Parts: sequence; C-alpha cells; structure tokens
Amino acid sequence: DAGVIQSPRHEVTEMGQEVTLRCKPISGHDYLFWYRQTMMRGLELLIYFNNNVPIDDSGMPEDRFSAKMPNASFSTLKIQPSEPRDSAVYFCASSLRRGFYGYTFGSGTRLTVV
Amino acid sequence: AQSVTQLGSHVSVSEGALVLLRCNYSSSVPPYLFWYVQYPNQGLQLLLKYTSAATLVKGINGFEAEFKKSETSFHLTKPSAHMSDAAEYFCAVSYNTDKLIFGTGTRLQVFP
Repeated sequence: DAGVIQSPRHEVTEMGQEVTLRCKPISGHDYLFWYRQTMMRGLELLIYFNNNVPIDDSGMPEDRFSAKMPNASFSTLKIQPSEPRDSAVYFCASSLRRGFYGYTFGSGTRLTVV
Repeated sequence: AQSVTQLGSHVSVSEGALVLLRCNYSSSVPPYLFWYVQYPNQGLQLLLKYTSAATLVKGINGFEAEFKKSETSFHLTKPSAHMSDAAEYFCAVSYNTDKLIFGTGTRLQVFP
C-alpha cells in the first residue's frame, strides 16, 4: 500500500490567491481527516469525513476554507483567498473503523503564503 | 471533557540513556491509546497502540508503553536512546469515537 498521498509537498503562493491541497487516502479506509500544524497552535483538526460525508467541520477556521470528498479515493482542501496566517503544514490522515486502529498520516503539504 | 496531557514539551537525554515521555488521559471509560512520532519535515507515524489487550505494548524502534488504569497514564519508554530517536512524540486517545484527541507533543533531543 502506498499510504496516504498528499500533493503538492510544498506550495508557495501570494496572498489572495486560491490554494488547493489534495489527498488520496488508503484504499478501504472510511474516515478521512484534515489537520493543520503550526508552531503556535500545534496540531488542529480542521474537518473529517466518514464515507465521503463531512461529519464535523467545526475546526475550519473561516469561510475561506472549504473541503470536499467527491469519492472514496480523493479529497481536497481549498483556501480562497489565502492569507499569510494560513501558512502551515497541512496533513491528511485516513483510518478504518473509527478510532480503533489509529490514523495513517500523509507526509503533509507545507503551505507558505507571502 | 476528555483530554490527553503530555508532561514536558521538551525532554533531553544523552545517547544510551533511558527515554521516558509522559502521557496522562482523562476518562471514565476505557480508552484506546496511541503514540505517534514525527521526524522533521515528515508526517506522524504510528509507534504503538493500546486497545485493551496486554497492558504493556511494544512498538517500533524499541519503544514500549504501559497502560496503567489506576494512574490514567500511558508513558512511553525506551531503555537506551539513540541519536535517531530525536523527534517529536505525540500521545493520542480515542474513546471509540470517530476522532483521536492528540496531546501537544514532546520534543525529544538526544545528545551524544
């Protein structure tokens, strides 16, 4: 298994631009999570899906952030418009059977907004 | 509220010394407990997990953790630190819900 695949690994964009982060979960996993990691706030859960349906988006910081999961093998996190304070590492993780097995994390996307 | 606390945001040890990273959880129901490791510029990697089987859990890279219900703890240990163990370690807990609750992390430094 290739694990959770995220793209791009690095993204540098200018303030005000739209940014789209992509994630391919492990085949067969029915949960997908988006996290943001910064030095100041640590690891924050933004949103998670079960069977492609958003379950809890209470961690999404603002309306500028949106996430979709059109099918079981693909999810996107979009920021529009981006701001410098969105600079962080964004992780996608997937899991099977709720929390029992833990999560498998992707390698992350390092986003820099200048 | 259900939570997990990692005591000590930074821990420093000498190479060959015992590693002890502390984790306490708050819960009135049996939890599932996890330790993750994050190396620089990488994602989190599962080290080990406790899911109500044996209370002493062995993980990768020589790490192990013991579930102590009376102390609500799940401390991570390794008998002899190696330089390659330098990383950030996260404790996490699940109560058979959708989400894992992560601690704030402990950065382990290993000195030669």
